[in-house]
Amino acid sequence: KNEVEQSPQNLTAQEGEFITINCSYSVGISALHWLQQHPGGGIVSLFMLSSGKKKHGRLIATINIQEKHSSLHITASHPRDSAVYICAVSGTGNQFYFGTGTSLTVIP
Amino acid sequence: EPEVTQTPSHQVTQMGQEVILRCVPISNHLYFYWYRQILGQKVEFLVSFYNNEISEKSEIFDDQFSVERPDGSNFTLKIRSTKLEDSAMYFCASSGDLLNEQFFGPGTRLTVL
Repeated sequence: KNEVEQSPQNLTAQEGEFITINCSYSVGISALHWLQQHPGGGIVSLFMLSSGKKKHGRLIATINIQEKHSSLHITASHPRDSAVYICAVSGTGNQFYFGTGTSLTVIP
Repeated sequence: EPEVTQTPSHQVTQMGQEVILRCVPISNHLYFYWYRQILGQKVEFLVSFYNNEISEKSEIFDDQFSVERPDGSNFTLKIRSTKLEDSAMYFCASSGDLLNEQFFGPGTRLTVL
């Protein structure tokens, strides 16, 4: 069973496009994390949120606790945004569940 | 800028051998985590550690795994008798608080032959 589902699995966009990646989860959570994994494998935390919306530069993350859904938006996408974006949730027991990731390619 | 470091970056071992993966979390962080990612698969949670004890562990973290914080800086993952299926990238992470973002290390690629 997958506690965290992401869509789409793969996404190709033209530079400048607005991008949305979706995440749905089925467990009770204390927080939801958006992570970025670069081709070299390194993982960077982009956001951690438990309610509402957060913005950092061109990235925006939202969460709807009632619907158990979160979205990651990238405005004015750029080739350097190409990476795998991972949604993960902290369960109420400090367990962590990861989505399979969305592979984003932004074409110049 | 403070960062999480991991050593070695790549470890090759024979099946049945013991390996110790090392992590130096950010110095004032209190929560520590190990994750693994088998090639081509999603990241999986192994264990979280706080106040010198395991606070949560996954089904993957069976008796062959153990974690330790032997001194004030290192956080180690030991795999007692490695199996072929233990080959993966192992990531360490730390956070200052339970509800703070986690900072990830660069990973150790473990190859079991």
